Amino acid sequence: DAEITQSPRHKITETGRQVTLACHQTWNHNNMFWYRQDLGHGLRLIHYSYGVQDTNKGEVSDGYSVSRSNTEDLPLTLESAASSQTSVYFCASSQGLFAGELFFGEGSRLTVL
Amino acid sequence: AQKITQTQPGMFVQEKEAVTLDCTYDTSDPSYGLFWYKQPSSGEMIFLIYQGSYDQQNATEGRYSLNFQKARKSANLVISASQLGDSAMYFCAMRGGRGAGGTSYGKLTFGQGTILTVHP
Repeated sequence: DAEITQSPRHKITETGRQVTLACHQTWNHNNMFWYRQDLGHGLRLIHYSYGVQDTNKGEVSDGYSVSRSNTEDLPLTLESAASSQTSVYFCASSQGLFAGELFFGEGSRLTVL
Repeated sequence: AQKITQTQPGMFVQEKEAVTLDCTYDTSDPSYGLFWYKQPSSGEMIFLIYQGSYDQQNATEGRYSLNFQKARKSANLVISASQLGDSAMYFCAMRGGRGAGGTSYGKLTFGQGTILTVHP
């Protein structure tokens, strides 16, 4: 079955370190998204991509970057982790850009000490 | 810009009763889509139901229905015959269309969520 997987599922890191969260989908979807979930804020969009070599900033993109070198993967990098980036991160993908639902990964819980 | 508001941080319902989770939205897009997702304690995001802004009828999926009132900009989720397994966080979300600048096209904007607890 097609799926979307995230790794690692749990990570603890220290302030200032670089961290990369992986996202891999096997649906061959062009559209991929990274969200963070924090209590009281719901899910907020970090970055998104509509295809290979396309990346765009979301509403909370500061301190994060993404790259899209193939259809299947959209890794999220925290260049210099900060305690404010402690959160649960969700990757998602979709076939369409309007009516189609987003399919979500299982989430990655990141703790920055 | 789009905005989704869920004003109920928490809701309680007795098993087998119906419950309505509120969602209001604000957008300048002439066309948009509205979604509801369920997040159980295990953390995964489960798609429940979708309503397009030009759909004439309210969407239904099994025990879930979306009470769409376009003029009031509301998209409330109704769960009939609640079950213990319905206890979860519920998110309302919106996706814009290509019109009005298309800045929200393709992206989901989420509300803050409502925690539903079903009592036996």
